[in-house]
Amino acid sequence: KAGVTQTPRYLIKTRGQQVTLSCSPISGHRSVSWYQQTPGQGLQFLFEYFSETQRNKGNFPGRFSGRQFSNSRSEMNVSTLELGDSALYLCASSPGGRILAGANEQFFGPGTRLTVL
Amino acid sequence: SQQGEEDPQALSIQEGENATMNCSYKTSINNLQWYRQNSGRGLVHLILIRSNEREKHSGRLRVTLDTSKKSSSLLITASRAADTASYFCATVYLNNAGNMLTFGGGTRLMVKP
Repeated sequence: KAGVTQTPRYLIKTRGQQVTLSCSPISGHRSVSWYQQTPGQGLQFLFEYFSETQRNKGNFPGRFSGRQFSNSRSEMNVSTLELGDSALYLCASSPGGRILAGANEQFFGPGTRLTVL
Repeated sequence: SQQGEEDPQALSIQEGENATMNCSYKTSINNLQWYRQNSGRGLVHLILIRSNEREKHSGRLRVTLDTSKKSSSLLITASRAADTASYFCATVYLNNAGNMLTFGGGTRLMVKP
């Protein structure tokens, strides 16, 4: 099976702009999660989607939003970009479904490196 | 905010030596996972240990979990230069209904040939 793919891989934007990042999960996986990685804050959970519904949400401002389509592909959007939004954005997928004993392993994509100037 | 801390933050060893990384967390968990990341790329899942397990092995990896101390350790035996990477522990809260992972700060491991 093909792995998790993320597009674009690199992106440069200026403050105030908005950006949309895309993630295609492994075929058959229904759960897609997004993480932000920065040198200062480390890896932080943004949100998780399962069957087109947001199942979990991290502690990020409303400028960060996401959605999932019926084919499980997911997008995240950041509006009114700030310098502090510069980060590596990672998408992860897992089979999802009924969670009997907590989360299963997650499969991460290569990430989108966003630079805000 | 991060669930826990990892110790040490950086570790430098010679090829063939063992590497031990520790992770502490704050609240009750359902499971704990370890991931590896090579220089700013995506994370690769290494091993998952559930809260009712105490030890798990996978190849040269050994993970222990002590829920009474809220801590875990990852041991890499007979390290290789290719093991050079950052290693993260990630926890799933006990009552979390989904796949939300809370990561520690990571340990940067350098294995010198």
